[in-house]
Amino acid sequence: DTGVSQDPRHKITKRGQNVTFRCDPISEHNRLYWYRQTLGQGPEFLTYFQNEAQLEKSRLLSDRFSAERPKGSFSTLEIQRTEQGDSAMYLCASSLAGVSGTPPRGYTFGSGTRLTVV
Amino acid sequence: GIQVEQSPPDLILQEGANSTLRCNFSDSVNNLQWFHQNPWGQLINLFYIPSGTKQNGRLSATTVATERYSLLYISSSQTTDSGVYFCADPRDSGAGSYQLTFGKGTKLSVIP
Repeated sequence: DTGVSQDPRHKITKRGQNVTFRCDPISEHNRLYWYRQTLGQGPEFLTYFQNEAQLEKSRLLSDRFSAERPKGSFSTLEIQRTEQGDSAMYLCASSLAGVSGTPPRGYTFGSGTRLTVV
Repeated sequence: GIQVEQSPPDLILQEGANSTLRCNFSDSVNNLQWFHQNPWGQLINLFYIPSGTKQNGRLSATTVATERYSLLYISSSQTTDSGVYFCADPRDSGAGSYQLTFGKGTKLSVIP
């Protein structure tokens, strides 16, 4: 397994366009997360999937954002009608579930997709 | 939600020097993790350190959960240690997500 893959690595788009990013997690990981990171800040949580179910969404995830994880494998994050404020690095992470009621002991992040909205 | 303070925000070291990075939390910590983000953006999980001390090569981490802080020690620093170091504690908001809340990080630059 080559880790968590994200595609594309970079995306430049004009304001108002739609963009879609893809994340391929480690195959045996049932947990998948999307984070957003702006310059000089730590990553901020956007959404969480357990298998194919989207179980949590952050308030940061406006109506223009949608994420899916069909069949519990890869995931996509779509941003509609992009705005300049959407410019950021979008990070995907995956992990195995911890023992019942405990968090994962490790998270594997992808290299991210850097979005620039012009 | 939980607040995470990291210090110092920036650190410049001569190669071979040692350093200590600190992470303070506003609430109890249970499953603290340290990460390194290299200059190309890749985040690597360094330690799962809910309490006590762990060592991995030139890096070691100590968490004092009762006092809500953790320390990361880097010894004999190398240029490849450059990047941003983050600490985070997974939190379950009820959906079982154990999402990570990150601090702003410590940006380390190791110069030859």
